[in-house]
Amino acid sequence: EPEVTQTPSHQVTQMGQEVILRCVPISNHLYFYWYRQILGQKVEFLVSFYNNEISEKSEIFDDQFSVERPDGSNFTLKIRSTKLEDSAMYFCASSGLAGGRVSYEQYFGPGTRLTVT
Amino acid sequence: ELKVEQNPLFLSMQEGKNYTIYCNYSTTSDRLYWYRQDPGKSLESLFVLLSNGAVKQEGRLMASLDTKARLSTLHITAAVHDLSATYFCAVDDIHSSNTGKLIFGQGTTLQVKP
Repeated sequence: EPEVTQTPSHQVTQMGQEVILRCVPISNHLYFYWYRQILGQKVEFLVSFYNNEISEKSEIFDDQFSVERPDGSNFTLKIRSTKLEDSAMYFCASSGLAGGRVSYEQYFGPGTRLTVT
Repeated sequence: ELKVEQNPLFLSMQEGKNYTIYCNYSTTSDRLYWYRQDPGKSLESLFVLLSNGAVKQEGRLMASLDTKARLSTLHITAAVHDLSATYFCAVDDIHSSNTGKLIFGQGTTLQVKP
C-alpha cells in the first residue's frame, strides 16, 4: 500500500541553525501539507501546497519557513534559523485522486521529531 | 475562524464498557475525519465522514456526523486494552479555505484498564 515517507525520523539541531525536513508523498497525490505537533498538544496546520506553489499558510508559517518540491517527488520544509520553540513533531501529509475523483482524505507520514537545543 | 473542540480530553475506562467521544466544531463543514495516534507515532486514519448523517463502523468503533449540529461522535463499544490511544477529530476548513486545510481538536486520550 502506498505511504507517505519522511526523513529523518529525528533531527537534533542547535538554535539558529537551518534544518530541512524531507517528505516523499504518495506518488499520484496532488495536494501536500505540513503540520506540526508540539509534545502533548494538538496537531496544527502549517502550510498547503498545490500545483507547485503555496496555496495557504498559517500564522505559524512565518518568513523562517519555506517549502519546496524540488524534483517532482520530494516535498521539503526548511526552517532557516531554528528557535527553541520550533521543537515539535513535523508531519507531512498528502491527498489526491481516488477513483478518478479528488479525495481530500489526507495520509500522514510517520513524522520527524525536531529537537532544537 | 474554525474551532474544533473535543470532550472529554482524557478518558479512563474499564474493559467491556461503552463510551462516546464528542467533537464539536464552530463553522460549516461536511468533511470530518477521525485519527488515532499511539504515543510517539503518526496519525492513523480511522474514519472519513463526508456528509450529514454519515455513519461508519470499524470493529468496536463507530463514528457519526451531524453537520446541522456541527457535531461528530466516536462511540466505543465494549472497550479493549488495544484501543488505548489518543483520538483526534479533524475538520476540513471548507468555510474559509479550499485547500483541504485540517483543523484538529485537542485530542482525547483513552486509557482502557483491564
